[in-house]
Amino acid sequence: SAVISQKPSRDICQRGTSLTIQCQVDSQVTMMFWYRQQPGQSLTLIATANQGSEATYESGFVIDKFPISRPNLTFSTLTVSNMSPEDSSIYLCSAGTGAADTQYFGPGTRLTVL
Amino acid sequence: GENVEQHPSTLSVQEGDSAVIKCTYSDSASNYFPWYKQELGKRPQLIIDIRSNVGEKKDQRIAVTLNKTAKHFSLHITETQPEDSAVYFCAASKGNNRLAFGKGNQVVVIP
Repeated sequence: SAVISQKPSRDICQRGTSLTIQCQVDSQVTMMFWYRQQPGQSLTLIATANQGSEATYESGFVIDKFPISRPNLTFSTLTVSNMSPEDSSIYLCSAGTGAADTQYFGPGTRLTVL
Repeated sequence: GENVEQHPSTLSVQEGDSAVIKCTYSDSASNYFPWYKQELGKRPQLIIDIRSNVGEKKDQRIAVTLNKTAKHFSLHITETQPEDSAVYFCAASKGNNRLAFGKGNQVVVIP
């Protein structure tokens, strides 16, 4: 499986600011995804990061709030814009490698918004 | 969209006993079913998965069974050990790389 890293691992931010989270994979992957996991909850897919085109967002998530970039096959960023305390969560990226649908997760970014 | 449910929400077992977690899914087109283990403060770790063309898959002490007719699949952990204590998530996908996750099961192995 691919090795996936994220930066930062955690951050505390002020309301109204934005934070960009980076996800790096150690090999080229076809698919990259961004998830949100609120404390004690399950994982919710935010969007699929498409290389060379706009991300595909799930219902309830919009590009203005969560802009995503994927400049190549090993890297993606997720920005959480105009943050509010409700955005406090763990944000995880995943990468699809090997067989179809198989996904491996990064370590996550724990975001706290004050 | 796909709806995945997990039962029970919390499971306590004595060390050495077996643990079984069951998930049901709603979309009959789903054909890929992974299980993830998440320890406190760690990333979800893929531990086993099954595709709809097989009914059972085993890897050492863990196994997954799939019943397509009833639309449910189960995780079986035998000879449980304290390090098996974690939250376990099931998921389902229709082959479009979009995983729908269940709410998770807290498994506690009592030494």
